[in-house]
Amino acid sequence: EVQLVESGGGLVQPGRSLRLSCAASGFSFHDYAMHWVRQAPGKGLEWVSGISWNGGSIDYADSVKGRFTISRDNAKNSLYLQMNSLRPEDTAFYYCAKVIVTTWSGAFNIWGQGTMVTVSS
Amino acid sequence: EIVLTQSPGTLSLSPGERATLSCRASQSVSSNYLAWYQQKPGQAPRLLIYGTSSRATGIPDRFSGSGSGTDFTLTISRLEPEDFAVYYCQQYGSSPQTFGQGTKVEIK
Repeated sequence: EVQLVESGGGLVQPGRSLRLSCAASGFSFHDYAMHWVRQAPGKGLEWVSGISWNGGSIDYADSVKGRFTISRDNAKNSLYLQMNSLRPEDTAFYYCAKVIVTTWSGAFNIWGQGTMVTVSS
Repeated sequence: EIVLTQSPGTLSLSPGERATLSCRASQSVSSNYLAWYQQKPGQAPRLLIYGTSSRATGIPDRFSGSGSGTDFTLTISRLEPEDFAVYYCQQYGSSPQTFGQGTKVEIK
C-alpha cells in the first residue's frame, strides 16, 4: 500500500524550532519529487516547499523562505521539514505529498494524514 | 504568483443534480497544469483531476475537468451523497504553485 506518514508536530512557542518527518512506503520514493503543503484550521491549502528526487532542486513559498529547510533521505524513504523561527501564522496541519509523475512539478496524488503544528506562547 | 479564484464559494445542490465549479487564474496556467482536489472534514485532500482533464486513479467518471488558459471547470455530472465536500483547484505550472480558496458543495 502506498502510504505517507507524517510525524513531529506539536505545540511550540514563537521563535522556537520544530522538525517534521514524513515516512514513505509502497512506492519508489527515490524516483519522485516530494512537497509539503499546509492548511491552517478552517482555511485553504498553501504550498510550502518542494524537493526534487535527488535534492538537487528545492523551492519554498515566500512566507517560509529563510526559516524552513526541506530535505530528504532516500536511503530511509523519508522527507523532512526543519522549521525555525516559528510564528503564530505557521500554525497549521502540515501534509507531505507525492507528485504524480517523476518530474519536479505535478499534481499531488498521494497525501499523508497530516501533522498539526501549533505555535503559541 | 498566479492567483486562483474559485466560484461560487458555496454551492447548495441536491443529490442527483449537476455541479459546475469554476476556477479562474490571474494569468495563463502553463501547459494547462491545473488540478482539482476533494477534501472532506478531518481528511487529507484527494486528487481528482490533473492536467486539466485527466482523472486520477480510481476517480469515477462523473467527475470531469475542462478549460484552458485562465478558465477551468470541474463538473460533477450527478452528485452522489459522498460528493458533498470542499473542492480546491491548484496550478502547478508556475512557481510558486498555488491553490484556490475552495468551493464547498453542500446538501440543499
